[in-house]
Amino acid sequence: RKEVEQDPGPFNVPEGATVAFNCTYSNSASQSFFWYRQDCRKEPKLLMSVYSSGNEDGRFTAQLNRASQYISLLIRDSKLSDSATYLCVVNIPSGSARQLTFGSGTQLTVLP
Amino acid sequence: DAGITQSPRHKVTETGTPVTLRCHQTENHRYMYWYRQDPGHGLRLIHYSYGVKDTDKGEVSDGYSVSRSKTEDFLLTLESATSSQTSVYFCAISELTGSYGYTFGSGTRLTVV
Repeated sequence: RKEVEQDPGPFNVPEGATVAFNCTYSNSASQSFFWYRQDCRKEPKLLMSVYSSGNEDGRFTAQLNRASQYISLLIRDSKLSDSATYLCVVNIPSGSARQLTFGSGTQLTVLP
Repeated sequence: DAGITQSPRHKVTETGTPVTLRCHQTENHRYMYWYRQDPGHGLRLIHYSYGVKDTDKGEVSDGYSVSRSKTEDFLLTLESATSSQTSVYFCAISELTGSYGYTFGSGTRLTVV
């Protein structure tokens, strides 16, 4: 079983739509959670951290359910510029440090 | 943006040759990481460093070695490149061990022929 699993995608949605991505993680000792965005042929960039109480940043809302080991990202009023791959990222203890482990990503295409 | 640069940006090399990729940061962050990204596998950790001369293996370290002689530089070496090492390699830095997320370099696209 992968340590971080995401919806396989791809998601193709019209502009203005609301879309949700889900992610599960296997290590209950995980402490930090993030969503990253990666544009085609570019490096991943931090989109937002995910806090236990849930958090919102403009059109983006992230939720965390520690009991179910589940993370979600909701994008409202999708824009063409939201087209990218979204990576679910979890901080997992490993060796002498904690490591970020990345899901394989979910590809989103917002259509005009 | 954080000061992190990777070199070279693109490289084509022949099977069996040694290759060294460089990651340079100007942020004085303690932690540095090398990942490879392949279709269907996402980002996988190769090696990481938690200080000068302090390094450890990641998930896919076979065939790779690293060195960190200065805070700002983290080198990844493929001792004898193979076609399976064709990939996009990303370096990342973080101030604390994974608590605040990472900042990535622009990547090195390596092709082994």
